[in-house]
This record gives sequence, structure tokens and C-alpha cells, in this order.
Amino acid sequence: DTAVSQTPKYLVTQMGNDKSIKCEQNLGHDTMYWYKQDSKKFLKIMFSYNNKELIINETVPNRFSPKSPDKAHLNLHINSLELGDSAVYFCASRRGTTDTQYFGPGTRLTVL
Amino acid sequence: AQKVTQAQTEISVVEKEDVTLDCVYETRDTTYYLFWYKQPPSGELVFLIRRNSFDEQNEISGRYSWNFQKSTSSFNFTITASQVVDSAVYFCALSVLEGTDKLIFGTGTRLQVFP
Repeated sequence: DTAVSQTPKYLVTQMGNDKSIKCEQNLGHDTMYWYKQDSKKFLKIMFSYNNKELIINETVPNRFSPKSPDKAHLNLHINSLELGDSAVYFCASRRGTTDTQYFGPGTRLTVL
Repeated sequence: AQKVTQAQTEISVVEKEDVTLDCVYETRDTTYYLFWYKQPPSGELVFLIRRNSFDEQNEISGRYSWNFQKSTSSFNFTITASQVVDSAVYFCALSVLEGTDKLIFGTGTRLQVFP
């Protein structure tokens, strides 16, 4: 039933570890995104994929690598986690160029 | 470059008061879209409204209304007769049609409605 889902909802890990966040949408949308919300609630685009092709890569460190196995999935893998990576990561999707982006519930990542 | 400014960091009102959240945007594009999203304490981002740059009609949806004025580059959001459940962070966002349709968010306005 859920339109855009993310797993896990919470992720607590140690500095230096590698972790992944998964996103799936069942809306039949063509484009998917990752946004980062920092501790001050500021939301910023990280990546977008259209039909499995990378469209936006917004000056994100190389430690972050998105992967889109198919149109309905966009995963985010983070290597060598740092304290500053602690944030809420939101996945979003949209259908057409001018359509609204719908967001997943967010994944709160805490790096200790 | 595009930018969205929400000058009000935090607003507190008492239930049943009307409240207006301000949003000012900057873009040189003639075609663009404006959005409002709500982020309640539970953390999800809930879509409220989308407006394109060619449609300056105000919109009303229940207790919510939006005033889009291109002359002042503003897209303000008013909640009439506020309720405690309206307590949330509200984000205004801009998207332009230049190939990268990312959402550019304002910094958000935290609205607290007290009983």
C-alpha cells in the first residue's frame, strides 16, 4: 500500500562502517531522488535517477554511491561513515517532468 | 541561481488564530513550480500544494489557503483557525524546468499551535 518506502527507518552505526539504505516506490514513477536533511532541518538534493540513469549528482562525497537496479528502486550506499553523515535521508519519486515529488518516511542515520 | 527564503524561523500561535507563513523565491526562469510541504513531529514530508508559474490564482483547501504573487516573488501560506495538529515544520520549495528538476527548499518555518 505504501507509495515510497525506505528501509531501515533508523540506522545507528560506528564511524568507519559501510551501510546501505534502500528505497522502493510502487507508483510507477520514472525518477527517484535522495535528499539529506541535516540537524538544522535543512533539506538538500543529493542524487536523482531517471529510468536507472544518474541525472543529478550534487557535489556529494565519493563515499556516497547511489544504485538503481530498476526503475522502482534507488539504494544509497555509504562507505567509511563519518560523524557528519548523521542526518535524515529521504527518498522521493515523481512521474513526469512537471509532477510533484513524493517522499518516503525518511531514514535517520546516526554515526557514533 | 535559484533560492527560497523563509524568513520566519518559528511562529507560535494559540489555537483558532490565523497564521501566515511567508515564502519568497528567486529564479530567472519563466517556467517554474512552487510547493509547500509539511513535516509533522513524526518526521515524514507531506505534500500540500504545487503551483506553476503561469497560474497566479489563489487556492483554498479547507483551512489552508495559498497566495501566489509573481510581482513580489512570494508564495505565502495561510492557515485559518489553526489547530494543535497543524504544529509542524513547513517547507516552501521551488523547482525549475532546466533538466535538473531538483527541489530547492527554504529553511522551513516551525509552527507551534498551543491549545
